[in-house]
Amino acid sequence: ETGVTQSPTHLIKTRGQQVTLRCSSQSGHNTVSWYQQALGQGPQFIFQYYREEENGRGNFPPRFSGLQFPNYSSELNVNALELDDSALYLCASSSDIAHSPLHFGNGTRLTVT
Amino acid sequence: QKEVEQDPGPLSVPEGAIVSLNCTYSNSAFQYFMWYRQYSRKGPELLMYTYSSGNKEDGRFTAQVDKSSKYISLFIRDSQPSDSATYLCAMTPSGNTPLVFGKGTRLSVIA
Repeated sequence: ETGVTQSPTHLIKTRGQQVTLRCSSQSGHNTVSWYQQALGQGPQFIFQYYREEENGRGNFPPRFSGLQFPNYSSELNVNALELDDSALYLCASSSDIAHSPLHFGNGTRLTVT
Repeated sequence: QKEVEQDPGPLSVPEGAIVSLNCTYSNSAFQYFMWYRQYSRKGPELLMYTYSSGNKEDGRFTAQVDKSSKYISLFIRDSQPSDSATYLCAMTPSGNTPLVFGKGTRLSVIA
């Protein structure tokens, strides 16, 4: 069984730039969620995709956007990067079976300078 | 008041000790409770998943939920140096809604 994989593992960007992070969900999982984890904090929910549609969003501005593809892989896009966007971005997948727990990837460490 | 409170530690214990990790929460709608373990430079790994109040045991790990007190615990028996990690509590009102995490408690088990 293949777990959740994310790419790239590390990324350095400059303030104002745009970034795209990628995620392949675990085999058999059709729901993908993205979380932001700042240093020393717990993960914060960004949004969730199910069958290529966003079906939940946390308290993040519109410059955070996403996509889910027919193979259930996903992208997180962040425009107009700010210094505070520096964090570990985690992708998690789950199935649509009731009470299916989230399984996380190892994240992408984004540094904005 | 944050929805989920968790003491960030750090917590340092000798090998073989019993470890107790705790979270409190304010939202009475939370029904599903999880503990994740996160090693440095890794993603969170699901350890325990419980519904409503009660206890659940898995090997050296025991999770307890007391909904009346809005308090959850994770106990680690016979702690090992390999248990050194950050432990995150997480909870949600229903099985398919976003998780709300605590800050995490950093644990070091000293050989």
